[in-house]
Amino acid sequence: SQTIHQWPATLVQPVGSPLSLECTVEGTSNPNLYWYRQAAGRGLQLLFYSVGIGQISSEVPQNLSASRPQDRQFILSSKKLLLSDSGFYLCAWSKGLVSSNIQYFGAGTRLSVL
Amino acid sequence: KQEVTQIPAALSVPEGENLVLNCSFTDSAIYNLQWFRQDPGKGLTSLLLIQSSQREQTSGRLNASLDKSSGRSTLYIAASQPGDSATYLCAVNNNDMRFGAGTRLTVKP
Repeated sequence: SQTIHQWPATLVQPVGSPLSLECTVEGTSNPNLYWYRQAAGRGLQLLFYSVGIGQISSEVPQNLSASRPQDRQFILSSKKLLLSDSGFYLCAWSKGLVSSNIQYFGAGTRLSVL
Repeated sequence: KQEVTQIPAALSVPEGENLVLNCSFTDSAIYNLQWFRQDPGKGLTSLLLIQSSQREQTSGRLNASLDKSSGRSTLYIAASQPGDSATYLCAVNNNDMRFGAGTRLTVKP
């Protein structure tokens, strides 16, 4: 069966510090991978998605970047965190196009930027 | 741009009640719609997926309907239980996923 792992579960970082969140998927190959953010009191917002190694699409301009160094690894990064980067970050995967398949979500990372 | 609205934002019911959560969207050209459950501080669990050609999907005590032409979906929960307490999110797919802000459900014993 397929599983998705995200870490860390919680993170407290000072403003201006770097960020690296990691997401890995097991039990499948060539998944589509996604990073979402859920700000307090707001809905989920798609940040990045990837259909293959080294292929990253960005949905919104922001302080964050994403990379996919391996087929089942998706990394969310920032060189300098802002207060507004605080939120709940979720990684997801799907088999095939977003338009036709269910997305499965990780447990999330709660990021607090102070 | 697709906008997804969920009403109500919060709902509190006594155990055993049947309830309906609502989701509306502005662009009816969707591929599918998905309902998720989110427990506090945790990720999302997929509950039901309705393809654009379908009218409803059922899983256990859950029934989701889709009226694409009017841009509406409902999630019906029968005989609610305290364990159903969570935030319920709907998401619509038309080339990317757009989520509603969710309905926070509390089922009181």
